[in-house]
Amino acid sequence: DAGVTQSPTHLIKTRGQQVTLRCSPKSGHDTVSWYQQALGQGPQFIFQYYEEEERQRGNFPDRFSGHQFPNYSSELNVNALLLGDSALYLCASSGLGSQETQYFGPGTRLLVL
Amino acid sequence: AQSVTQLDSHVSVSEGTPVLLRCNYSSSYSPSLFWYVQHPNKGLQLLLKYTSAATLVKGINGFEAEFKKSETSFHLTKPSAHMSDAAEYFCVVSDLWGQNFVFGPGTRLSVLP
Repeated sequence: DAGVTQSPTHLIKTRGQQVTLRCSPKSGHDTVSWYQQALGQGPQFIFQYYEEEERQRGNFPDRFSGHQFPNYSSELNVNALLLGDSALYLCASSGLGSQETQYFGPGTRLLVL
Repeated sequence: AQSVTQLDSHVSVSEGTPVLLRCNYSSSYSPSLFWYVQHPNKGLQLLLKYTSAATLVKGINGFEAEFKKSETSFHLTKPSAHMSDAAEYFCVVSDLWGQNFVFGPGTRLSVLP
């Protein structure tokens, strides 16, 4: 049973560019959440997708957007990249129902130069 | 609103001695609580979770945590540290539906030979 997968593993971009990160949830999961983890800090919640809609959003600007596909996979898009967007981006999936645990992928490390 | 405080940014123990990583939380409602571990360049792995059942929760690799509502604490313990336990540990609070996942800043555990 595959866990949460993310691609690519590493990415280098320059300021002003746009980036797309991808996530496939754990089998049987239908909810995907995205987090940003800056160096030396805990992950910060970006947003959560369920039934192809953004269900919840953290304190991130509109430059951060996402999408969920019918197969529950998800993309995170970041426009107009800033140096401060350099971080590890984590995807987590969970199933329906109460008290659901989030399972995390290995992350995509983004470096903005 | 929810928040998590991890009282120590760095804990250092000798191999074979007990581990105590402290976590205090704040929540407007009955929370779910989690401990995750992150090894260098790896994703987050769930150690254990509390979801309003038994207050003493046993997790993987010999870790356990006790939920104390009166103290709003959820400290992580292990009787005997192993070298492989060296990693970053995150305490997480969420609502009972697995939403509003809020991470603490993390505690780095070092294990000395």
